[in-house]
Amino acid sequence: ETGVTQSPTHLIKTRGQQVTLRCSSQSGHNTVSWYQQALGQGPQFIFQYYREEENGRGNFPPRFSGLQFPNYSSELNVNALELDDSALYLCASSGDTSGNTIYFGEGSWLTVV
Amino acid sequence: AQSVTQLGSHVSVSEGALVLLRCNYSSSVPPYLFWYVQYPNQGLQLLLKYTSAATLVKGINGFEAEFKKSETSFHLTKPSAHMSDAAEYFCAVSGGTGRRALTFGSGTRLQVQP
Repeated sequence: ETGVTQSPTHLIKTRGQQVTLRCSSQSGHNTVSWYQQALGQGPQFIFQYYREEENGRGNFPPRFSGLQFPNYSSELNVNALELDDSALYLCASSGDTSGNTIYFGEGSWLTVV
Repeated sequence: AQSVTQLGSHVSVSEGALVLLRCNYSSSVPPYLFWYVQYPNQGLQLLLKYTSAATLVKGINGFEAEFKKSETSFHLTKPSAHMSDAAEYFCAVSGGTGRRALTFGSGTRLQVQP
């Protein structure tokens, strides 16, 4: 148990639609990151939020966007879904008290058809 | 910029044999290095981490890894494999964009034969 919870666990969307994925980070963690893991690959960094501000972004287009709320929970939004967006989306949290450890949730499986 | 190379996408060992999973990294700053394990249809679980303290790091489930700066390596070992060790293993380095963003390798799938 990492204390990081994600929802939904599985979902299917149609190409062109929009999706919102949610993450509740471990208590006291003020940093949340999102990663995309395509089948058979390692996770790829999408972006990171620290105290409600985006403070790092990987090589993903602007249709991938996010939010972090005052309670440090987070959302990942993806607009204009493409077939290649089908992947496991992982949320990770860390904080000043986590000793440089990053804790991952179980992920949200997104299938775009 | 950081990068990680995991040599061998698949490794197969017999139960009770030594496990050795290879990881080489590239980093423009002193790295923090991590090994994560992923069981089927699950998220990532931290096995161990190196954060510039002792170069030999012990983790959970009997795994350990040694940071070798001269070889830019952080190989994962376990003296005796168990069937329950069968999973996907990822090496990761932090630094670069963001305070603690991770750059992952492509993973090594470990099979344990009875």
